[in-house]
Amino acid sequence: LAKTTQPISMDSYEGQEVNITCSHNNIATNDYITWYQQFPSQGPRFIIQGYKTKVTNEVASLFIPADRKSSTLSLPRVSLSDTAVYYCLVGDISGYSGAGSYQLTFGKGTKLSVIP
Amino acid sequence: GAGVSQTPSNKVTEKGKYVELRCDPISGHTALYWYRQSLGQGPEFLIYFQGTGAADDSGLPNDRFFAVRPEGSVSTLKIQRTERGDSAVYLCASSPHPKSGPNSPLHFGNGTRLTVT
Repeated sequence: LAKTTQPISMDSYEGQEVNITCSHNNIATNDYITWYQQFPSQGPRFIIQGYKTKVTNEVASLFIPADRKSSTLSLPRVSLSDTAVYYCLVGDISGYSGAGSYQLTFGKGTKLSVIP
Repeated sequence: GAGVSQTPSNKVTEKGKYVELRCDPISGHTALYWYRQSLGQGPEFLIYFQGTGAADDSGLPNDRFFAVRPEGSVSTLKIQRTERGDSAVYLCASSPHPKSGPNSPLHFGNGTRLTVT
């Protein structure tokens, strides 16, 4: 299973763009990169997923370089409500390869604090 | 629509007792996962069900932990002879069948906070 490394914490002021980078040097060919957001006393919530290049949705953008050994979650114009822990996950739960593991591994995540 | 529901939201039990934690997945989701989360840590995988069968139970810490999903919908996580170290938030997640699309995102419930005294 690919191991991920991301900063333990980040601070940002309201209205700024926040970029959280995750390293995953041993990502496998079939692995996707998925980001989750977790508020206190809640379960993680899916934000965005990608395989390569760039993915954008109404909440965030995900940038993945060609070698796929890292990825960057970009949150535009954060607000206080974006204060949460953000997890980067790498894995393949599709089972298509026949050897896919169902263990999506969460690290400790990045605790983002948005300051007024 | 309704999300993943977990009951109870909080459970306090004495060391050595038996507990059951329930998960109601999103209707139609065939994949179901149990995770455990300790304070300040990310969720830790316990077990994965595809339908009624446990496809991967390699995350269960020992034989005191057991989970079932007899009809392919509701799942129960059972912990025997609870220990103080079992105290954590137990999270359940569901997703559509993995082969309905690669890496279908997991939909998590809000968890059951288990405290063993």
